[in-house]
Amino acid sequence: AQKVTQAQTEISVVEKEDVTLDCVYETRDTTYYLFWYKQPPSGELVFLIRRNSFDEQNEISGRYSWNFQKSTSSFNFTITASQVVDSAVYFCALSDGESGGSYIPTFGRGTSLIVHP
Amino acid sequence: GAGVSQSPRYKVAKRGQDVALRCDPISGHVSLFWYQQALGQGPEFLTYFQNEAQLDKSGLPSDRFFAERPEGSVSTLKIQRTQQEDSAVYLCASSKTGDKTYEQYFGPGTRLTVT
Repeated sequence: AQKVTQAQTEISVVEKEDVTLDCVYETRDTTYYLFWYKQPPSGELVFLIRRNSFDEQNEISGRYSWNFQKSTSSFNFTITASQVVDSAVYFCALSDGESGGSYIPTFGRGTSLIVHP
Repeated sequence: GAGVSQSPRYKVAKRGQDVALRCDPISGHVSLFWYQQALGQGPEFLTYFQNEAQLDKSGLPSDRFFAERPEGSVSTLKIQRTQQEDSAVYLCASSKTGDKTYEQYFGPGTRLTVT
């Protein structure tokens, strides 16, 4: 079963719009970790945030905010007032103790965000 | 400070050739991961090292894939007798601690094309 689902394959917005990238995960563990990474055209994934399962507080970092809801197994990412430099592929990842590779991160398929000027 | 570097950035191999992909992690980083990223997909785990010890190789797709990190720093991923399905971007990541849940720092990847 897919453990991390990013249902939006591609999102296209105009600069200054707000945009939310969805992430739904599956796990039976009570202890797990969720991540968001950004992959710009250069190819290097850039770490954005790490959240453990015991901390449901939402987080804001500048124009970025994350909404973690255990009740819906979601960890959504919102960019406020998007900019062209936000154009990238964004990956959500889950690290849990299930399956053979204990706590090895499992990545979703990514959401490609295109911000038009 | 320097980030994770990988070489070569691009590699074209004829089917059946052996290839070796190199990863230089951030100095002092304990953990090193290799991932395979197919076009339009997320990275998929291949193998994990803690210092020089290969603790998890459950993601290696076949015995044609082999990885090493003999001195606990530089790592090499070797693919023998390459096949077309091996075409992908191979990403290396390092992490400060032995905690696999810690944030990872990724290199730019090696794009392997098997013709």
